[in-house]
Amino acid sequence: KAGVTQTPRYLIKTRGQQVTLSCSPISGHRSVSWYQQTPGQGLQFLFEYFSETQRNKGNFPGRFSGRQFSNSRSEMNVSTLELGDSALYLCASALGGLRDEQYFGPGTRLTVT
Amino acid sequence: QKEVEQNSGPLSVPEGAIASLNCTYSDRGSQSFFWYRQYSGKSPELIMSIYSNGDKEDGRFTAQLNKASQYVSLLIRDSQPSDSATYLCAVNNQAGTALIFGKGTTLSVSS
Repeated sequence: KAGVTQTPRYLIKTRGQQVTLSCSPISGHRSVSWYQQTPGQGLQFLFEYFSETQRNKGNFPGRFSGRQFSNSRSEMNVSTLELGDSALYLCASALGGLRDEQYFGPGTRLTVT
Repeated sequence: QKEVEQNSGPLSVPEGAIASLNCTYSDRGSQSFFWYRQYSGKSPELIMSIYSNGDKEDGRFTAQLNKASQYVSLLIRDSQPSDSATYLCAVNNQAGTALIFGKGTTLSVSS
């Protein structure tokens, strides 16, 4: 069974721009969650989508948003990029939700200059 | 703010020894607990999940959960240099609305 895939793998953006990241979950998984990983803060939960609805949200500003499509693929958008948004963005998929085992994709490394 | 605490390490063990990694959490109602391994420059890889008090074994790995003490641990038997990585503990909050990660423990296994 294919794993979680994320595109692009690397991105370099300028402050003020916006960015869209994509995630394809494991076949049959309906829950997709997003995480930000930085050396200082570690791995932090952004939000979770299930059946095209945002079901749970972490403590991030509204500049961070996402959506999920009918095939469970998900996108995450960050608007008005700040230097502090430089991080590894990870997507994880699970069968039913956050209580289930989360399987991570390879991540997207975002650098904001 | 619910928290998950891990000793950052590094934890250094010789090859063949048992490595013991510990994690404490603050949300008494947490029900799902996970251990992940993350190699430098890679994404986290699920090692084990545990949901009930007691031990759960999978190959060289044993997860131990004590909900009364709000403590979860991971034992790695016969440690190998390839086990050298950062180990992340993750805990679901009581409501099941967030997955909270510890900052991770760096394990170094010397040959």
